[in-house]
Amino acid sequence: SQQGEEDPQALSIQEGENATMNCSYKTSINNLQWYRQNSGRGLVHLILIRSNEREKHSGRLRVTLDTSKKSSSLLITASRAADTASYFCATDHPPQLVFGKGMKLTVNP
Amino acid sequence: NAGVTQTPKFRVLKTGQSMTLLCAQDMNHEYMYWYRQDPGMGLRLIHYSVGEGTTAKGEVPDGYNVSRLKKQNFLLGLESAAPSQTSVYFCASSYPLAPTNTGELFFGEGSRLTVL
Repeated sequence: SQQGEEDPQALSIQEGENATMNCSYKTSINNLQWYRQNSGRGLVHLILIRSNEREKHSGRLRVTLDTSKKSSSLLITASRAADTASYFCATDHPPQLVFGKGMKLTVNP
Repeated sequence: NAGVTQTPKFRVLKTGQSMTLLCAQDMNHEYMYWYRQDPGMGLRLIHYSVGEGTTAKGEVPDGYNVSRLKKQNFLLGLESAAPSQTSVYFCASSYPLAPTNTGELFFGEGSRLTVL
């Protein structure tokens, strides 16, 4: 399977703390994307990092990519209760996007 | 802009019945996808299309058929529903960043299907 894997599968933190999620994948990629899914809703795109980039920022989000280790991390700083959701990494296998199984983040007020 | 719209949002079927899920996008995207989401399995690609009149199989295509007669619509059909097809189905659309790069996917809100 080309599916990536997020780690940990679940994370519970307090509001204001940082949350780090990791994604490992198996084959070479052109880009890697992160998505958020609130309960009962569709997925929403967060950030895309290309294979020639090592780090990217978007607001409170910081994504890193290490193609030599085939891994990526998503850091959410100063978390809020509204960040409670499932997060997925997805790897680019054109024209397909292959999603990991996701990880559940709970931010407690 | 409605984005990606899926109908119906909920449906209960009996084993052996047929149905069609409709996905419509108003962003003029070339690529469209159907995924299914099951607990602990993440999202798995059923079928996809890279343009009007084209379709291709994804990871789990068995038991499903698709059609893309118009660029804005992507239909997912179940000819003879089985309990194993109980799932939440998501449609998504995208534009290619380049021939070798898949862009951001825009998702619908999902269609929850139960097969008894």
